[in-house]
Amino acid sequence: AQSVTQLDSHVSVSEGTPVLLRCNYSSSYSPSLFWYVQHPNKGLQLLLKYTSAATLVKGINGFEAEFKKSETSFHLTKPSAHMSDAAEYFCVVSDEEGGYNKLIFGAGTRLAVHP
Amino acid sequence: DSGVTQTPKHLITATGQRVTLRCSPRSGDLSVYWYQQSLDQGLQFLIQYYNGEERAKGNILERFSAQQFPDLHSELNLSSLELGDSALYFCASSATSGGANEQYFGPGTRLTVT
Repeated sequence: AQSVTQLDSHVSVSEGTPVLLRCNYSSSYSPSLFWYVQHPNKGLQLLLKYTSAATLVKGINGFEAEFKKSETSFHLTKPSAHMSDAAEYFCVVSDEEGGYNKLIFGAGTRLAVHP
Repeated sequence: DSGVTQTPKHLITATGQRVTLRCSPRSGDLSVYWYQQSLDQGLQFLIQYYNGEERAKGNILERFSAQQFPDLHSELNLSSLELGDSALYFCASSATSGGANEQYFGPGTRLTVT
């Protein structure tokens, strides 16, 4: 079965410093992985997606993630945090067994950005 | 704006009642997915429809049901509501059914059961 584990429930950074949100996955086959962001009282927005092409994936708003098969990780990074990045971030794996496309969400990491 | 619309935005109802949540997918998308987000369970997949037919089921209770209509909008029906059904319900859509298609999420319906 597919699953993801987000290693930190809360991350706090200062504005202008790097962001690292950690995610490990478990998959019986080559996974499709996503990062979604949820701002307060808003829906979910896709940040980026990995589907076995380049291992370094660039997303919106300066975020990127690197797929590391040897470490079963898909960590999300950003070189310099902005106040508007404060939100909840979800690492997601696609369960495609049976030809379907169910998204399995991690528990989420709440990112706080301080001035 | 993802292009997925959900109504109503908020719903407050009493235990034992029945409610219907509505979702319109992005133009051209044939698949609709329903998810539930609660404090104790996190975000969970409930059910998927593709072009009017049920394609995949997740952790959906028997008291819940869904359908997708010929115009591709979908409704999620929740009956015999319990306090624990209070949650944010998201609809998402994608172009096709299988593979790692990107799913686009609506703003959600917040259900409060009192």
